[in-house]
Amino acid sequence: DIQMTQSPSSLSASVGDRVTITCRASHGIRNNLVWYQQKPGKVPKVLIYGASTLQLGVPSRFSGSGSGTEFTLTISSLQPEDFATYYCQKYNSAPFTFGPGTKVDIK
Amino acid sequence: EVQLVESGGGLAQPGRSLRLSCVGSGFTFDDYTMHWVRQAPGKGLEWVSGISWDSDTKDYARSVKGRFTISRDNTENSLYLQMNSLTTEDTAFYYCARRNGIYPYYYFDFWGQGTLVTVSS
Repeated sequence: DIQMTQSPSSLSASVGDRVTITCRASHGIRNNLVWYQQKPGKVPKVLIYGASTLQLGVPSRFSGSGSGTEFTLTISSLQPEDFATYYCQKYNSAPFTFGPGTKVDIK
Repeated sequence: EVQLVESGGGLAQPGRSLRLSCVGSGFTFDDYTMHWVRQAPGKGLEWVSGISWDSDTKDYARSVKGRFTISRDNTENSLYLQMNSLTTEDTAFYYCARRNGIYPYYYFDFWGQGTLVTVSS
């Protein structure tokens, strides 16, 4: 099975900071990767699919890149509402493994 | 508006069974592959199981294979998860999720609000 890892596991940042989160797959998954944002007590929300396509309604400060085994999620200018946990997930075939998550909190 | 509503969660003793349900509305249910995802309190997301629109393909995570059974009834717009031989490690919020139907973007585009399963003696 393909394993998904994320780094860092957590980070502290300030409003206005540029934040980058990395997701790695143990084997190539082309661009079959989605990024979710989850806030406490809430359901995961789709930010990016196809590794780099912004979901409708998601602010343009979010962007995704990568293909194969290495992917990044970038928040160009962190806003107060962006403090949350971010997960990547592969969706090309079962098992549809999630990364362990990256918690972004306030510095 | 797409809605997914789970039910059936609750308290179960180790070794016992529970059956979760998820009813979909606002979309043509039998056009979509559906999944179950769980999240232990304070932990990350874990994919559990998925079923194709016609029930021909069923997939399971290693952690539940042989204990959990996914099924669906398209006439009732319903998805199910039969959970047997429960252990404390199955304690989690269980979400049903719809797989996006547009090739090749098969990510989980809509999620229910979840139902909590607690396994404890």
